[in-house]
Amino acid sequence: GENVEQHPSTLSVQEGDSAVIKCTYSDSASNYFPWYKQELGKRPQLIIDIRSNVGEKKDQRIAVTLNKTAKHFSLHITETQPEDSAVYFCAARPGGSQGNLIFGKGTKLSVKP
Amino acid sequence: DSGVTQTPKHLITATGQRVTLRCSPRSGDLSVYWYQQSLDQGLQFLIQYYNGEERAKGNILERFSAQQFPDLHSELNLSSLELGDSALYFCASSVLLGVDTQYFGPGTRLTVL
Repeated sequence: GENVEQHPSTLSVQEGDSAVIKCTYSDSASNYFPWYKQELGKRPQLIIDIRSNVGEKKDQRIAVTLNKTAKHFSLHITETQPEDSAVYFCAARPGGSQGNLIFGKGTKLSVKP
Repeated sequence: DSGVTQTPKHLITATGQRVTLRCSPRSGDLSVYWYQQSLDQGLQFLIQYYNGEERAKGNILERFSAQQFPDLHSELNLSSLELGDSALYFCASSVLLGVDTQYFGPGTRLTVL
């Protein structure tokens, strides 16, 4: 079945710097890749997603890139702010699935003022 | 607020007991997913229902079961509880199957003593 690896597990940056989180997946038929942000004790919130027919997507300070050949996708956050501090999860929807997501283990991002 | 509701917010019980977690999807959403989040395992997909029918199963134990009712709310039943079942249980909903956005509820924190 699908397996999603996420790196790094923790990331600390200075306010204003960029942050990059990378994920790899194993099922080449996976077709949808969302990123969720989870603050302590709260629900995961979708921040951006990308489908397999697109290579890059941007929404203000957040961007996601997808390399289907290498089976990896990355989250890029520019001009980081303290409120970006949270745990970020990548996920993949396996090909042929009914919609369920397979998640990476998360990256704890700390943005220091 | 995602529009997905879950009750109760917190549940404390003893080993060997049985509990029921409830989820109401967003208005109009037909698909409900259950995920378990523990510290060492991240977000794990348990089970999915679509319009009352089970559509996919993940790492769900035989002691756990779920159903989706005609009004589309869903219940997750956990029985013969063990200490290791302590976790956050999230439900998510989406409009349809396949490539679509999932919105997460606030979660139920289960503590087994």
